[in-house]
Amino acid sequence: AQTVTQSQPEMSVQEAETVTLSCTYDTSESDYYLFWYKQPPSRQMILVIRQEAYKQQNATENRFSVNFQKAAKSFSLKISDSQLGDAAMYFCAYRSGRGGSQGNLIFGKGTKLSVKP
Amino acid sequence: GAGVSQSPSNKVTEKGKDVELRCDPISGHTALYWYRQSLGQGLEFLIYFQGNSAPDKSGLPSDRFSAERTGGSVSTLTIQRTQQEDSAVYLCASSLALKNLRSGNTIYFGEGSWLTVV
Repeated sequence: AQTVTQSQPEMSVQEAETVTLSCTYDTSESDYYLFWYKQPPSRQMILVIRQEAYKQQNATENRFSVNFQKAAKSFSLKISDSQLGDAAMYFCAYRSGRGGSQGNLIFGKGTKLSVKP
Repeated sequence: GAGVSQSPSNKVTEKGKDVELRCDPISGHTALYWYRQSLGQGLEFLIYFQGNSAPDKSGLPSDRFSAERTGGSVSTLTIQRTQQEDSAVYLCASSLALKNLRSGNTIYFGEGSWLTVV
């Protein structure tokens, strides 16, 4: 079974600085997708960025980028120029490339990010 | 609709009562998921619907939990004889079906229903 591990329960960053959130996963599959979701106090899970395992190039979305190391099964999220609105819980998630219920998302336990003004 | 819609947003119920939580997925999304998030915890998978196929109920914690999806669209999660440990946020999500290994369709979430059992 696949697992996702986020080893940092809490992180803090100064506004305008850069922070990296860690995520590792375990799988025997070769085709899969990785996601970072943000959950602000409003509770809604918002997609931040996604990475297809078959792509070697790291995904980037504005101030958010990932460092995807497939061999090491590592998928970290870098937030540049941190803003107060980035404060939230961040969840790393894995999704199998197979169909059916195996396409369900498997989540890590989350990292709570605080942004200091 | 534009996004996944869930109701009620908040629900307080007495122990032993039944509750129903509703989810209206994004139009055209054939896959629908229910997750549970207890305070300070990650997301726990409950049940998955895909089109007209039999649902995957492997995540339901007990036989007090059930869900149905009518007409391949709206879903209702029912919790019978609620217990205090059922208190959590119940999140619904939807996506397009995974038709092939390269589609990687993103799963979109609603804002959740916060259930408190007193």
